[in-house]
Amino acid sequence: GAVVSQHPSWVICKSGTSVKIECRSLDFQATTMFWYRQFPKQSLMLMATSNEGSKATYEQGVEKDKFLINHASLTLSTLTVTSAHPEDSSFYICSARSLATSEQYFGPGTRLTVT
Amino acid sequence: KQEVTQIPAALSVPEGENLVLNCSFTDSAIYNLQWFRQDPGKGLTSLLLIQSSQREQTSGRLNASLDKSSGRSTLYIAASQPGDSATYLCAVDRGSTLGRLYFGRGTQLTVWP
Repeated sequence: GAVVSQHPSWVICKSGTSVKIECRSLDFQATTMFWYRQFPKQSLMLMATSNEGSKATYEQGVEKDKFLINHASLTLSTLTVTSAHPEDSSFYICSARSLATSEQYFGPGTRLTVT
Repeated sequence: KQEVTQIPAALSVPEGENLVLNCSFTDSAIYNLQWFRQDPGKGLTSLLLIQSSQREQTSGRLNASLDKSSGRSTLYIAASQPGDSATYLCAVDRGSTLGRLYFGRGTQLTVWP
C-alpha cells in the first residue's frame, strides 16, 4: 500500500529556533500534499495545501511567514516552523493525495515540543 | 462551508459487540468520504473510502455506508475486539481540484475484554 513518511517523528527545540519537518510519499507520486496540526483530543486542523512547484495555499489564520512550506518534487514537501515558540508545540501530520486513486495517505506525524 | 459531525464522541463497549459510528455532513455535494483510524500519538490509517456514486464499502469486519442525499455515513464494526480501540475519524472530500478533506472530531472507541 501507499506509504507516507515523516521525519523527524519527534523533536524538541528551544524557543526562537527553527525546525524543519519532511513529508515523503515513498511509493507513489503526489502533486498535492497537506499539512495538518492536531492538539490533544482534537481533530485535525488543516494548515496549508502544498502543490508541487507552486506556492502553498494557507488556511485563514495560519501565518505563512511562520510556517514555511516547500514542495520541490512529486514526493517531498517540507514544513519549517520559524522562530518557534511554546505555543507552536503540537502534533503535525502531513498527507499526500494519490494521483491514481484520489485517496489521501497520512504520515505518522511529528511531535514538536518547544521549550 | 462543509461541516462534519460525528456521534457519539466517545463509546465504551465490551468485546464482541457490534458497533455503529455515525458521521453527518452539511453539503451533500461530495466527491468521496473516507473513514480513518487514529491510534494515540500516531498518524491516520485509511480504513474505507466510498466514492459519491457508491452506497457502501466493506473490508473485513468493517462496513461503511453512504447516503449522500441525507448527508450521512455510518461505520459498522462487527464483533468488536480490544484491538479496535482507537479514534475513528470521518472525512469528506468535496471534489475540488486540491482534494481538501473536511474532518469530523472523531469517535473515541474503547473495547474492553
